[in-house]
Amino acid sequence: EVQLKESGPGLVQPSQTLSLTCTVSGFSLTDYSVHWVRQPPGKGLEWMGVMWSGGSTAYNSALKSRLSISRDTSKSQVFLKMNSLQTEDTAIYYCTRGPLFAYWGQGTLVTVSS
Amino acid sequence: DIQMTQSPSFLSASVGERVTLSCKASQNINKYLDWYQQKLGEAPKLLIYNTNNLHTGIPSRFSGSGSGTDYTLTISSLQPEDVATYFCLQRNSWLTFGSGTKLEIK
Repeated sequence: EVQLKESGPGLVQPSQTLSLTCTVSGFSLTDYSVHWVRQPPGKGLEWMGVMWSGGSTAYNSALKSRLSISRDTSKSQVFLKMNSLQTEDTAIYYCTRGPLFAYWGQGTLVTVSS
Repeated sequence: DIQMTQSPSFLSASVGERVTLSCKASQNINKYLDWYQQKLGEAPKLLIYNTNNLHTGIPSRFSGSGSGTDYTLTISSLQPEDVATYFCLQRNSWLTFGSGTKLEIK
């Protein structure tokens, strides 16, 4: 069974760095891409970036300067790091398996607040 | 970057009614258009991919069509369980979601 699960801190202070982990099971990171998508409360979805199966990455141009995605294939984990967080980065952060987003994690709410 | 405009942003319709949601791209997206349903408190759920392909397990009352820059999601007979927000996603050039259509029962 394909599963994805996000984990990380629920609260981050402004200007600090967000670190999230997506732990997957039921498939290999070397066979499928994993994307990060976020959703501010009550608002729409924003594609953030992707870890391709081959190990390369791509990012939303609006976030590229602040965002980094990496992985540990031995642990079936994909990591998201985003720096210089502001209140507008408060959102539910999802990881999802590509190329079609048929499988999603449950999402993790990150609140940026002092 | 490709922009996706969904309309309407809010729709109220009766059970059994035929409902059409629209998504317009700022440039040709070559039918790389998917539709997602998101119910309150849940992750999005894939309904249709590549314009008109019904994802596994999705009821046949959902259908998609379109080409070029204009795409539609149709629900042939609205059911109470279809209350949700619907998002389109273009995958032709990187990825961009539409802003969503919130669908409720009248």
